[in-house]
Amino acid sequence: EAGVVQSPRYKIIEKKQPVAFWCNPISGHNTLYWYLQNLGQGPELLIRYENEEAVDDSQLPKDRFSAERLKGVDSTLKIQPAELGDSAVYLCASSLRTSGAQETQYFGPGTRLLVL
Amino acid sequence: AQTVTQSQPEMSVQEAETVTLSCTYDTSESDYYLFWYKQPPSRQMILVIRQEAYKQQNATENRFSVNFQKAAKSFSLKISDSQLGDAAMYFCAYRPRDDKIIFGKGTRLHILP
Repeated sequence: EAGVVQSPRYKIIEKKQPVAFWCNPISGHNTLYWYLQNLGQGPELLIRYENEEAVDDSQLPKDRFSAERLKGVDSTLKIQPAELGDSAVYLCASSLRTSGAQETQYFGPGTRLLVL
Repeated sequence: AQTVTQSQPEMSVQEAETVTLSCTYDTSESDYYLFWYKQPPSRQMILVIRQEAYKQQNATENRFSVNFQKAAKSFSLKISDSQLGDAAMYFCAYRPRDDKIIFGKGTRLHILP
């Protein structure tokens, strides 16, 4: 079974440029997460989707970040314009979330972003 | 505020020996889940072990086991018979029911041959 796929794996851009990350979750997983991981830190949730609906985007900086999950499968995370402080690893995770049950999140390899 | 604290930024253990990674958390919830994730240098996070707070019995997965002390809000990970492949960042994480998961800052584990 294929795991969570993310692309690109690495991205270098100049500040003020736009950038987009793509995530393909595990087949059948209804919940998708985007995390930000700064160097030496644990991941921090940016946004959580259940199917197509963003159910928790409270930590997403909406002035420059946007995300979508069309058709409840693949997702893209966009930054426009990028700032130096956005340099980090962006992790995608997916899970099969059912009411009252504990689900396991499966993580992708991440996209390492460097903003110059 | 709910927080997860890993007080050991780095640890080293001799191959085949046992090591314990510490984790404490702060919460007012009674129903929640706890996890240990492993992140090797390739950066793909992998679930190592999980514990439901309502279960008194400590979770075990092969060479990995936890010491869950609910009253003390402590959740340590014990790795027995350490192997070179165990070298990684280990993240302790906490998730209340139906809410987001919160990660600690991680402990980097080195395995000495």
